[in-house]
Amino acid sequence: QVQLQESGPGLVKPSETLSLTCTVSGDSTSAYYWSWIRQPPGKGLQWIGYIHSSGTTNYNPSLQSRVTLSLDTSKNDFSLRLTSVTPADTAVYFCARGPVTYHSTLPSTLFDYWGQGTLVTVSS
Amino acid sequence: SSELTQDPALSVALGQTVRITCQGDSLRGYYASWYQQKSGQAPVLVIYGKNDRPSGIPDRFSGSRSGNTASLTITGAKAEDEADYYCNSRDSSGNHLIFGGGTKLTVL
Repeated sequence: QVQLQESGPGLVKPSETLSLTCTVSGDSTSAYYWSWIRQPPGKGLQWIGYIHSSGTTNYNPSLQSRVTLSLDTSKNDFSLRLTSVTPADTAVYFCARGPVTYHSTLPSTLFDYWGQGTLVTVSS
Repeated sequence: SSELTQDPALSVALGQTVRITCQGDSLRGYYASWYQQKSGQAPVLVIYGKNDRPSGIPDRFSGSRSGNTASLTITGAKAEDEADYYCNSRDSSGNHLIFGGGTKLTVL
C-alpha cells in the first residue's frame, strides 16, 4: 500500500521560506510523477507543481517564481520550497502521487495517492 | 479558458440521484478525474478516465462527459456521500494541472 506523509514546520513567518518534505512508503520515487497541492482554509484545491526523478519539474504559473521542488531517491522523498511567503500562503499542504496519465478514448490525469496533509500557517 | 467551473453547492435526498458537473474548455480533449473530500480529510480519487473507479469505490459513483462538460453521478446517494467533490484536468494548453472550485454536496 502506497503511503505519503508530509512533514515540516507548521508556522512560518512572513517573507521567510516554507519547506516541507513528503516521505513515500510502499513505492519508489524513482517512478511516477510526484506533486504538491494546497488548500487554503475553507477554499478549494490548488496544484502547486510536480517533479519526476528524471529531473523534470512543472509549476503552477501563479507560483512559479517562488516554488522549487526537489526529489531524493535515496531517501525516497520529495520536497517543496516556497519563498517569500505571505499570509495568503496559509493552507493545508498535501503531497500526492501524480499526475498519472491514464489513456483511454481520451487521456485523463489523476492523483491516486495522497498524504493526510499538513497545515502551514504564515504569521508573525 | 484555463478554468474548471463547478456549482458551489448541491443537495440530494437520501437514496436519490445527483449529478455534479464540471465545465471547461480543456475537457474537450481530456477526461476529468473526480475526488471526494470529507471534512478534515485528504481528497480521495473516485472516478478517472471515461468512467473508471479505483478499487474500493462503490459502483453508485459514475462518470460521463459531453462536449466541454464532465459529470459525476451518484446513484442512490447515501449519508456517507456528503462531502466536497472536485474535478481535475489539464488546462487548455495541456501543460498544467487545474482543479475545479469544488461542489459541496449535502445529503438530506
